[in-house]
Amino acid sequence: GENVEQHPSTLSVQEGDSAVIKCTYSDSASNYFPWYKQELGKRPQLIIDIRSNVGEKKDQRIAVTLNKTAKHFSLHITETQPEDSAVYFCAALFLNDYKLSFGAGTTVTVRA
Amino acid sequence: DSGVTQTPKHLITATGQRVTLRCSPRSGDLSVYWYQQSLDQGLQFLIQYYNGEERAKGNILERFSAQQFPDLHSELNLSSLELGDSALYFCASSVVAGGGDTQYFGPGTRLTVL
Repeated sequence: GENVEQHPSTLSVQEGDSAVIKCTYSDSASNYFPWYKQELGKRPQLIIDIRSNVGEKKDQRIAVTLNKTAKHFSLHITETQPEDSAVYFCAALFLNDYKLSFGAGTTVTVRA
Repeated sequence: DSGVTQTPKHLITATGQRVTLRCSPRSGDLSVYWYQQSLDQGLQFLIQYYNGEERAKGNILERFSAQQFPDLHSELNLSSLELGDSALYFCASSVVAGGGDTQYFGPGTRLTVL
């Protein structure tokens, strides 16, 4: 079935350190992988996405890497700041039904 | 602000009742998606509409139904409500139907069933 696993479920980092969240997916044909950030009580917001024709994408302090062979992708946040504290969700598009399946989320806490 | 609007913001009702949640997509978006987010849970896909037609279905209960109107706004109807239906309900919209373009989320409707 369609499955996206996300690890870790919680992550605490010191301000200025890096945070890494990893996701694996089950459908080798998936070709679209967005990451959403959700602050407490607010809507999920897209922060970065990657398509299967590239292996890495960067946007300032955020980067995503994709390994299609291993069917996993990761979010990297460098020089973390307190405002990076939120729940982060990965997702993968499953082409059999074009549905976006989300991981269970990672609660990131940046300690000042 | 994503451009997606949802009403109401909060809804408190009793078990057995029926409620309707409303979503207006971003201007130009033809697809509307509905998600359920229970406490400390991820986003569970319920259903998608594209230009008025049902496009994809997730784990949506039979007590729940949805539709998309000619003006592209969508409504999610929840009936015979149970305590476990208490959750945040988000709608999202995107331009096309294929799911491979960005989904923009609305602010959500928090449903509390007492």
